[in-house]
Amino acid sequence: DTEVTQTPKHLVMGMTNKKSLKCEQHMGHRAMYWYKQKAKKPPELMFVYSYEKLSINESVPSRFSPECPNSSLLNLHLHALQPEDSALYLCASSQGTYYEQYFGPGTRLTVT
Amino acid sequence: TQLLEQSPQFLSIQEGENLTVYCNSSSVFSSLQWYRQEPGEGPVLLVTVVTGGEVKKLKRLTFQFGDARKDSSLHITAAQPGDTGLYLCAGGSRDSGGYQKVTFGTGTKLQVIP
Repeated sequence: DTEVTQTPKHLVMGMTNKKSLKCEQHMGHRAMYWYKQKAKKPPELMFVYSYEKLSINESVPSRFSPECPNSSLLNLHLHALQPEDSALYLCASSQGTYYEQYFGPGTRLTVT
Repeated sequence: TQLLEQSPQFLSIQEGENLTVYCNSSSVFSSLQWYRQEPGEGPVLLVTVVTGGEVKKLKRLTFQFGDARKDSSLHITAAQPGDTGLYLCAGGSRDSGGYQKVTFGTGTKLQVIP
């Protein structure tokens, strides 16, 4: 199984809402990532979890809060987002020496 | 800050033509990946190259890693409409804390016209 799943596929939320994005992988990978991607741009790294611990936070605003409940699951909690946070949010996982990442299909987030 | 510049940014060609996409950096990478992404979907891994000078072929796609491990190229022979997408290179390295980090290239948007 080389699949990374993400839910929901689409999300529309107001600036006062609280929502969560979920990501799951069953490949035994020990590193998991959140990326933000704007249209026609490359993915921008947000967070990296290694062995269920936050190892990299790319100076992401606190309105984004990651959580790694176990080695297979990764959540991204959203609160008080801004319209400019609208983007495709991608989850990825990796294992091994060569930095290969396996991506989920993404969550298309729209903040109104 | 590590940067990976891809060229060209956009490419529109006719079915059957050949093309090459370049990925260049001033930094050395331990490995380099190429991904293809379709609109609204996540990137899909195409290949990993790890040795300077390495060449890998995947059907009509040929990938090369530069001798100094600072650059890479992707060559597509006889392009087909199914090759349409955003092509991303990504370089692997370790940051100052020793953690694995991936730097994505700026992307090349390819359109193959039937």
